[in-house]
Amino acid sequence: EPEVTQTPSHQVTQMGQEVILRCVPISNHLYFYWYRQILGQKVEFLVSFYNNEISEKSEIFDDQFSVERPDGSNFTLKIRSTKLEDSAMYFCASSEGQGGTYGYTFGSGTRLTVV
Amino acid sequence: GDSVTQMEGPVTLSEEAFLTINCTYTATGYPSLFWYVQYPGEGLQLLLKATKADDKGSNKGFEATYRKETTSFHLEKGSVQVSDSAVYFCALKRSNYQLIWGAGTKLIIKP
Repeated sequence: EPEVTQTPSHQVTQMGQEVILRCVPISNHLYFYWYRQILGQKVEFLVSFYNNEISEKSEIFDDQFSVERPDGSNFTLKIRSTKLEDSAMYFCASSEGQGGTYGYTFGSGTRLTVV
Repeated sequence: GDSVTQMEGPVTLSEEAFLTINCTYTATGYPSLFWYVQYPGEGLQLLLKATKADDKGSNKGFEATYRKETTSFHLEKGSVQVSDSAVYFCALKRSNYQLIWGAGTKLIIKP
């Protein structure tokens, strides 16, 4: 069964450093997403991406965050200057259509720890 | 705003017991509803979904019915197994792209 692959599985970074979280969505999917889950809290939507541009973003997704599809397979989330409160599990997802009909396929997540 | 409320866990049951995990929602209109499952060390997997009122989603022995009148989407299974131990998330699709999530319910099944 096709999978969404995320790397690394765990990243530790110092406050103020830039991090890039990587995702390889399912090859025939057209919509891509990032969610995060701070420990003990709900999963939160960050951003969706379609046709090489952001289609929707949440209030969390401020200027410190950016997304990119640098080639035909990868989808990345960059945090420019990490803060302690960015520590969370970050999930990438993709969908063939707009999610509601086809559902979303999630990766296993990247645990980001900011120290 | 839109929200999803799930019963708090952990829920601990013996093998072959009947399972219900409650989920209620608040939303404008009639959003699509989902149950996702997260096994230890793994990602979020779609378990089942329903896109309109009275739809029943089912998968792997789990069922949930979209009840508009009670704004609920309770997850049920007739006979649980140890392998069902996981965290279960109820979610609604708020827009073309965004899911709103419940807090998750940890399920522990004892042999």
